[in-house]
Amino acid sequence: DVKVTQSSRYLVKRTGEKVFLECVQDMDHENMFWYRQDPGLGLRLIYFSYDVKMKEKGDIPEGYSVSREKKERFSLILESASTNQTSMYLCASSLGRGGVDFEKLFFGSGTQLSVL
Amino acid sequence: SQKIEQNSEALNIQEGKTATLTCNYTNYSPAYLQWYRQDPGRGPVFLLLIRENEKEKRKERLKVTFDTTLKQSLFHITASQPADSATYLCAPPRLGRGSTLGRLYFGRGTQLTVWP
Repeated sequence: DVKVTQSSRYLVKRTGEKVFLECVQDMDHENMFWYRQDPGLGLRLIYFSYDVKMKEKGDIPEGYSVSREKKERFSLILESASTNQTSMYLCASSLGRGGVDFEKLFFGSGTQLSVL
Repeated sequence: SQKIEQNSEALNIQEGKTATLTCNYTNYSPAYLQWYRQDPGRGPVFLLLIRENEKEKRKERLKVTFDTTLKQSLFHITASQPADSATYLCAPPRLGRGSTLGRLYFGRGTQLTVWP
């Protein structure tokens, strides 16, 4: 089975800190994604990457950046954490080749980030 | 802009009954649609994918239909069990550039509770 691992399950940070959220997948997937999930708002796409060193903005990229130096690892960076970035952050990956059937997403367990 | 609506935020049914969840979309015609299950504090898990030319898809007690005329997908769980209690998300691909790269647009989900 595909495994998507997020480095932290819970994280508490202070306003203004630089925060790194790490995500690793073990199935040679091309695509990787970062979503945030808030009550009543559902899943919103922050950034995604379809190849090493490639990235594209999602719906809510402001205040975030990403890094993909290796195929299996996709990092989300909060440059200067703010309280409105308190959320559940979910990483996902998909194969990205072979047609529609391979575009299903595999999610990590999520990181609940609290910014105080 | 594309819009996804799931019929209600919460659905409560008795064990053994069939649960029917609705996903309506507007302003575009997705080539396929995915359904996910999400348990509290966990990432979503892929359940089923249905293409626009498939009227129905089944997997064990799950059935998904796709009506391109009504712009609607129905998700059924037959002989429901308390273990089916979770939030169910529908997710068609996003419009525009990158829409074939597995970028999904998630509905807000329907929270299903199956009581004994």
